[in-house]
Amino acid sequence: NAGVTQTPKFRVLKTGQSMTLLCAQDMNHEYMYWYRQDPGMGLRLIHYSVGEGTTAKGEVPDGYNVSRLKKQNFLLGLESAAPSQTSVYFCASTEWDTEAFFGQGTRLTVV
Amino acid sequence: AQTVTQSQPEMSVQEAETVTLSCTYDTSESDYYLFWYKQPPSRQMILVIRQEAYKQQNATENRFSVNFQKAAKSFSLKISDSQLGDAAMYFCAYQSNFGNEKLTFGTGTRLTIIP
Repeated sequence: NAGVTQTPKFRVLKTGQSMTLLCAQDMNHEYMYWYRQDPGMGLRLIHYSVGEGTTAKGEVPDGYNVSRLKKQNFLLGLESAAPSQTSVYFCASTEWDTEAFFGQGTRLTVV
Repeated sequence: AQTVTQSQPEMSVQEAETVTLSCTYDTSESDYYLFWYKQPPSRQMILVIRQEAYKQQNATENRFSVNFQKAAKSFSLKISDSQLGDAAMYFCAYQSNFGNEKLTFGTGTRLTIIP
């Protein structure tokens, strides 16, 4: 009964490097989301997906790309990391009329 | 677009006392959900309570209750008999009920419990 699992939990990148964050859910949820959390700003939506093969931009999409090739997985990519992308990243999934379930977060530092 | 405002960045309460956290929101929709999430130092997002906009009755979960004022677009959280384990960041969140189910969060209130 894993729920939502994020990989990795911590990462340090150098400016300009790329990486992919993986989110996996085992609840067969249609909707999946990527948020970033910064001090004093709450959680802000980066990208989201309303089903396999679909993605859409959220509030702060610049510098990120996503893919949802399989229903259970939602990948967040940083092509060229910048210090402004230092943050804690959360993945979440939900279904209609169901609470959202969150992963444990990924702390990313870009130096 | 919907917005959620939490005007209290920090709050503190004596152990065993009652505290109320404020939240206001803005929307043109009539059907939606409102939530309070707790985030302890472990970083995990924990659902505290959920309110459906079409229900007039205020939601309650043990020591946690809400005061939902739909016309005023206000959604406050009351914590009774505060315990040390209640210390955390609390986020108010709005969820649309029209297709994408995405959550919009407030900026959070950090709650400190004084022993």
